[in-house]
Amino acid sequence: DTQMTQTPSSLSASVGDRVTISCRASQNINNYLNWYQQKPGKAPNLLIYAASSLQSGVPSRFSGSGSGTDFTLTISSLQPEDFATYYCQQTYYTPGTFGQGTRLEIK
Amino acid sequence: QVQLQESGSGLVKPSETLSLTCTVSGGSIRSYYWSWIRQPPGKGLEWIGYIYQSGSSNFNPPLKSRVTISVDTSKNQFSLKLSSVTAADTAVYYCARVNYHMREAVDVWGKGTTVTVSS
Repeated sequence: DTQMTQTPSSLSASVGDRVTISCRASQNINNYLNWYQQKPGKAPNLLIYAASSLQSGVPSRFSGSGSGTDFTLTISSLQPEDFATYYCQQTYYTPGTFGQGTRLEIK
Repeated sequence: QVQLQESGSGLVKPSETLSLTCTVSGGSIRSYYWSWIRQPPGKGLEWIGYIYQSGSSNFNPPLKSRVTISVDTSKNQFSLKLSSVTAADTAVYYCARVNYHMREAVDVWGKGTTVTVSS
């Protein structure tokens, strides 16, 4: 399987901060990388697909970048509703493996 | 807009078969891949497998011998069966739509259903 490693595993930040979450694949996945946000008790929600394409309806403060093995999710100015867990997922190889998640908490 | 709803047994005995169905509303089950993903309590997401309307499917190798995913286009439903369950199969199970126009991202999720394996 292709291993997906997210850093950090958890992060404390304040409203208005700029936050970056990293995701590294164990092999080249081109740009088959997606980002999801999950709030407690809810299903995940797609934020970014194909590494950098913003899903319809997702605020523009979310952005993604990267290709190959290294990817980044950036939130430009944290809002209260952004405190959640974030997952990356590669879909270049089967199975479509997820990262272990990054929990974003209020400082 | 497309909505997904899981249904099925929330409690399954060890060694028995877990059965779940996902009903697709607001759109056709045709022309997309449909997937099952699970999340054990307090843990991350695990992809189980997917199926296309034609019936072609693909599964996560560690689960492949125990998983069956089927599709019923006449009912706009797809289903999951997981045999010989153990406590390790206790999880929230999500049905989901895989959008191959979006690098196979999951763009629609069901709300999830909790399945507990216990005697």
